[in-house]
Amino acid sequence: SAVISQKPSRDICQRGTSLTIQCQVDSQVTMMFWYRQQPGQSLTLIATANQGSEATYESGFVIDKFPISRPNLTFSTLTVSNMSPEDSSIYLCSVEMRTAGGPDEQFFGPGTRLTVL
Amino acid sequence: RKEVEQDPGPFNVPEGATVAFNCTYSNSASQSFFWYRQDCRKEPKLLMSVYSSGNEDGRFTAQLNRASQYISLLIRDSKLSDSATYLCVVNAGGYNKLIFGAGTRLAVHP
Repeated sequence: SAVISQKPSRDICQRGTSLTIQCQVDSQVTMMFWYRQQPGQSLTLIATANQGSEATYESGFVIDKFPISRPNLTFSTLTVSNMSPEDSSIYLCSVEMRTAGGPDEQFFGPGTRLTVL
Repeated sequence: RKEVEQDPGPFNVPEGATVAFNCTYSNSASQSFFWYRQDCRKEPKLLMSVYSSGNEDGRFTAQLNRASQYISLLIRDSKLSDSATYLCVVNAGGYNKLIFGAGTRLAVHP
């Protein structure tokens, strides 16, 4: 597995503002992902962030709302733009690691708990 | 129909009990299958990948039935520390995208 950290761990923000969440991993990885977990719900993939190319967004998520950077193989950021209370959620990054003889596995960062007032 | 469906919870069991969780998935092209556990207010942690032949890791046994598109997780000799939400996860048919089930909550009591 990998050691993954996220900053900030939590934040309370005013509507209309933006927040950038950082994800740092202790080894070089090709595939990084950003997920959202709304209260009482399971995880939903926002986008896949590959180094050297634009992020690939899932249906219902757009770059203007959730811009992503992936400047190198150990770091990524997700920005939640022009926030509204509906954006209150936990945002998690994950990385994909290859396993010997098995499927690629994903490991998650500790998450960023966002509350929008 | 949801892409990944799990048993509704919660499951309340005494210590030492055996408990089984079931999961079905809709995408027949899915190739990778996993069970994650998620503790309250924590991130999901990979419990085990699920292999076609079935696999065991200590008290945990995972089974896959591709024909029925069905995955199971068996926990033997439940411990208090097994209390968590168990997430059934499959990949989206050849892509890296993971689809998460809604989760099944397990509460093990003394």
